[in-house]
Amino acid sequence: AQSVAQPEDQVNVAEGNPLTVKCTYSVSGNPYLFWYVQYPNRGLQFLLKYITGDNLVKGSYGFEAEFNKSQTSFHLKKPSALVSDSALYFCAVRDMETDSWGKFQFGAGTQVVVTP
Amino acid sequence: GAVVSQHPSWVICKSGTSVKIECRSLDFQATTMFWYRQFPKQSLMLMATSNEGSKATYEQGVEKDKFLINHASLTLSTLTVTSAHPEDSSFYICSARDYRGLGADTQYFGPGTRLTVL
Repeated sequence: AQSVAQPEDQVNVAEGNPLTVKCTYSVSGNPYLFWYVQYPNRGLQFLLKYITGDNLVKGSYGFEAEFNKSQTSFHLKKPSALVSDSALYFCAVRDMETDSWGKFQFGAGTQVVVTP
Repeated sequence: GAVVSQHPSWVICKSGTSVKIECRSLDFQATTMFWYRQFPKQSLMLMATSNEGSKATYEQGVEKDKFLINHASLTLSTLTVTSAHPEDSSFYICSARDYRGLGADTQYFGPGTRLTVL
């Protein structure tokens, strides 16, 4: 079975400082990993994904994430946070070995608060 | 990009009535769509997987007779909440699986539908 953990309910950061949102996963096979962002009363917006290849993935709005197989992690990062980055962030995993439908397992979400 | 729309964006209905929510992939064909439910400040709960031309696959604990899903075309899936009750009030989000191109296979999400049952 696949699972995702986002250990922090909330991350607080000052504008201009680096932002990190943590995610660890568990799958039986090779993972597809995704990050999404959700603004209030809106659907999820795709940020980036890891399928294969380079462990460092660059995505939308200046975000990037690093796939670390040994630590089973896929932390989301942004070098300099903006107030507009304040939102709810979800990590998701798909287990390529056990799922053929493309179903995701989502983490619980991490609320990011960026203060001016 | 891949755009998914949902309609309506919000709906208020009386208890006992049925509500239909539409999910459309606007610029790609989606043989697979997903329906999620989200409670305030919580993660997404997968309700069912909708496949074009076949019956939906429901997750454990989701009543298929209450949440009717139809995926009649490659760009449209509908979720009908039948005989809605206040406990069905929630934020419903759909997604469409886009696997055009090598290494794509990403879910793109609609903006969600806020259902309030009085």
